[in-house]
Amino acid sequence: DIQMTQSPASLSASLGETVSLECLASEGLFNSLAWYQQKPGKSPQLLISGGSRLQDGVPSRFSGRGSGTQYSLKISAIQPEDEGIYYCQQGYKYPLTFGSGTKLEIK
Amino acid sequence: EVQLVESGGGLVQPGRSLKLSCAASGFSYSHYVMAWVRQAPTKGLEWVASINTDGGNTYYRDSVKGRFTISRDNARNTLYLQIDSLRSEDTATYYCAKWDGGYFWGQGVMVTVSS
Repeated sequence: DIQMTQSPASLSASLGETVSLECLASEGLFNSLAWYQQKPGKSPQLLISGGSRLQDGVPSRFSGRGSGTQYSLKISAIQPEDEGIYYCQQGYKYPLTFGSGTKLEIK
Repeated sequence: EVQLVESGGGLVQPGRSLKLSCAASGFSYSHYVMAWVRQAPTKGLEWVASINTDGGNTYYRDSVKGRFTISRDNARNTLYLQIDSLRSEDTATYYCAKWDGGYFWGQGVMVTVSS
């Protein structure tokens, strides 16, 4: 199975700050990598697919990049509504696997 | 607008069975790979099973093979998950999801396995 390792496990950021969340896969994904945001009591929301493709309706302050085994999600000019848990997921090979998440707190 | 509405969850005793349903609307359902993903209380996301567009190919995580069956009815735009021999570790919110390079999710349905 492909292991997905996210870092950091948690971080605290101030309004307007820029942060980068990392996701490392145990083997190459050929950009079959998605990012999700989940808020308490809610379903996850797809932010990025294909490693870097921003979904309709997602603010442009979110951006994804990476290749091979290393991917990142950048959030620029953080807003209060960005608080939540962010998961990466590989769609390259079954069983599909998720990272354990990065919990983002807004100071 | 894409809508996925799950139903069929509840409190079930260990060893019993349950069938979850997911009604899909707002997209060409028969054209998309569909899946079930679960999330145990306070835990992360765990892919459970996927099914291809015509239902001819199914995929499962090892821990549910032989107990869970994913199926679909393209005429009714509905996805199913038959869960047999329920265990306490199956307690989770179960999400129906549409794959399009990433998952679009339903609101989820809670399954609690307890005596």
